[in-house]
Amino acid sequence: DAMVIQNPRYQVTQFGKPVTLSCSQTLNHNVMYWYQQKSSQAPKLLFHYYDKDFNNEADTPDNFQSRRPNTSFCFLDIRSPGLGDAAMYLCATSRERGYTYEQYFGPGTRLTVT
Amino acid sequence: AQSVTQPDIHITVSEGASLELRCNYSYGATPYLFWYVQSPGQGLQLLLKYFSGDTLVQGIKGFEAEFKRSQSSFNLRKPSVHWSDAAEYFCAVGASGSNNNDMRFGAGTRLTVKP
Repeated sequence: DAMVIQNPRYQVTQFGKPVTLSCSQTLNHNVMYWYQQKSSQAPKLLFHYYDKDFNNEADTPDNFQSRRPNTSFCFLDIRSPGLGDAAMYLCATSRERGYTYEQYFGPGTRLTVT
Repeated sequence: AQSVTQPDIHITVSEGASLELRCNYSYGATPYLFWYVQSPGQGLQLLLKYFSGDTLVQGIKGFEAEFKRSQSSFNLRKPSVHWSDAAEYFCAVGASGSNNNDMRFGAGTRLTVKP
């Protein structure tokens, strides 16, 4: 089945130690998104890629970066994780931009910062 | 900017009972409205969406939602809940006429189903 895969599902990192979360997709979609979801809160869009075009949300901290080396893969890099960055990180894809195109979500990576 | 409010943080219903999850949105123009479900350990799955036309929309898994402009609401309903419906439900709104995907999610409603 075509899907969105996130690895690892659970990640523990130390305060200030860089960490990378991975997302891959077999849907061949043009758009890939990263959301942050803190406990009992709504998912919050951090940024998205439209093909190779990176689109950062205005309030996304500089500590968060992303890379998309090819259509299938997208990475979320947290350069110096703080305790406040502990959250579920969701990757999603859509065929094109615009709301008529459904977003398909991966299962998420739960990040713990110690 | 658009926003979404889900007034109920947690709802418990008995299996077989009817369900209504509330969603209120704030947006000046015609919104794009969505309901997603997130089962434990899973990603979000789209249940249904409203863009225009018939204000009663049918979704997957027996869910439906009704858009009421006068009440700025898009409540999710199901006539008979199954134990497998226990999950977190998110309402979301997108800005119409936009080519981006600035979709704002509500904080979610956790549904517990009693046997």
